[in-house]
Amino acid sequence: QKEVEQDPGPLSVPEGAIVSLNCTYSNSAFQYFMWYRQYSRKGPELLMYTYSSGNKEDGRFTAQVDKSSKYISLFIRDSQPSDSATYLCAMSLYNQGGKLIFGQGTELSVKP
Amino acid sequence: DAGVIQSPRHEVTEMGQEVTLRCKPISGHNSLFWYRQTMMRGLELLIYFNNNVPIDDSGMPEDRFSAKMPNASFSTLKIQPSEPRDSAVYFCASSPHPWPPTDTQYFGPGTRLTVL
Repeated sequence: QKEVEQDPGPLSVPEGAIVSLNCTYSNSAFQYFMWYRQYSRKGPELLMYTYSSGNKEDGRFTAQVDKSSKYISLFIRDSQPSDSATYLCAMSLYNQGGKLIFGQGTELSVKP
Repeated sequence: DAGVIQSPRHEVTEMGQEVTLRCKPISGHNSLFWYRQTMMRGLELLIYFNNNVPIDDSGMPEDRFSAKMPNASFSTLKIQPSEPRDSAVYFCASSPHPWPPTDTQYFGPGTRLTVL
């Protein structure tokens, strides 16, 4: 079993839809949770991060962490065609410095 | 700022050949990471350096892979001998500090390696 599981999709939605992207994990010691966005043939870029549990909002994006269920989510409101990309969740332990464990990534397509 | 620079962008080689991938991190960044991305396995950390010192190489798949960082502005990932299963996109990333892990890692454009 992988430490971090993410449905690879692809996920296709119409413009303006609310998108929900999710990851589950097995290691309860993960403390840092991140979402990276990767456009086709580019390197990933950090979108949002949260520490421990709770929610964080940044514009149209909301990240949620539920440590009791070992489940994290990224919500995109009013999705735009420019949001079409692969979204990767990433996690880290408290004491492992910059070592990130990534999910496989979910490919999202937002249709005009 | 030019960002993280990787070369070559594409590499096609034959099984058994030596492959060297190169990375120039963002100036002033103290941490450097090498990743491999495939459809099957996703994005995997191979090794990371802090202040030019290898900190964690537990992701290096086998002895055929080696990485060096002779100075703060240059790193190499070498595969010798290469095998078809090494075909992947290899990313280099750099970060100002290894801590906290939420400190943004800036990724390069990647090297697409094909081993025939």
